[in-house]
Amino acid sequence: DAGVTQSPTHLIKTRGQQVTLRCSPKSGHDTVSWYQQALGQGPQFIFQYYEEEERQRGNFPDRFSGHQFPNYSSELNVNALLLGDSALYLCASSFNGGGAYEQFFGPGTRLTVL
Amino acid sequence: AQSVTQPDIHITVSEGASLELRCNYSYGATPYLFWYVQSPGQGLQLLLKYFSGDTLVQGIKGFEAEFKRSQSSFNLRKPSVHWSDAAEYFCAVGFLVNDYKLSFGAGTTVTVRA
Repeated sequence: DAGVTQSPTHLIKTRGQQVTLRCSPKSGHDTVSWYQQALGQGPQFIFQYYEEEERQRGNFPDRFSGHQFPNYSSELNVNALLLGDSALYLCASSFNGGGAYEQFFGPGTRLTVL
Repeated sequence: AQSVTQPDIHITVSEGASLELRCNYSYGATPYLFWYVQSPGQGLQLLLKYFSGDTLVQGIKGFEAEFKRSQSSFNLRKPSVHWSDAAEYFCAVGFLVNDYKLSFGAGTTVTVRA
């Protein structure tokens, strides 16, 4: 049973560019959340997608956007990259109807903005 | 303000010694509580969770945690630490109703010395 997968593993971009990160949820999961983890900090919630809609959003600017596809996979897009966007981006999946609230995390994508 | 606090940034423990990591939360209602572990370059792995019921919960890898409502705490313990327990540990809280995100503490880095 494959867990949560993310691609790419690492990414280097320059300021002002745009980036797309991808996530495939754990088998049986229908909900995807994205988190940003800056160096030395805990993960910060960006947003969550369920039924192809953004269900909840954290305190992140509109430069951060996402999408969920019919197969439940998801993309995170960041426009006009800033140096401060350098971080580990974590995707987490869960089952909305499971009753128990548990998110499974992928290995993350390390984004470096130069 | 709502928050999750991990008072210890870094803990060093000898192999075979006991370990306790502290977590305090500040929320109006009792949240769901989680402990995650992150090894270098890896994503987050769930160690254990508390939703309700018995306030002492058992997790994977020999970890346990105790929920104390009066102290708003959810401390993680392990009786005998192994070298492989060296990692970063995050306490997180969540709510099932109308709030789907996990909110994380800043983490505690555990170093295990021989």
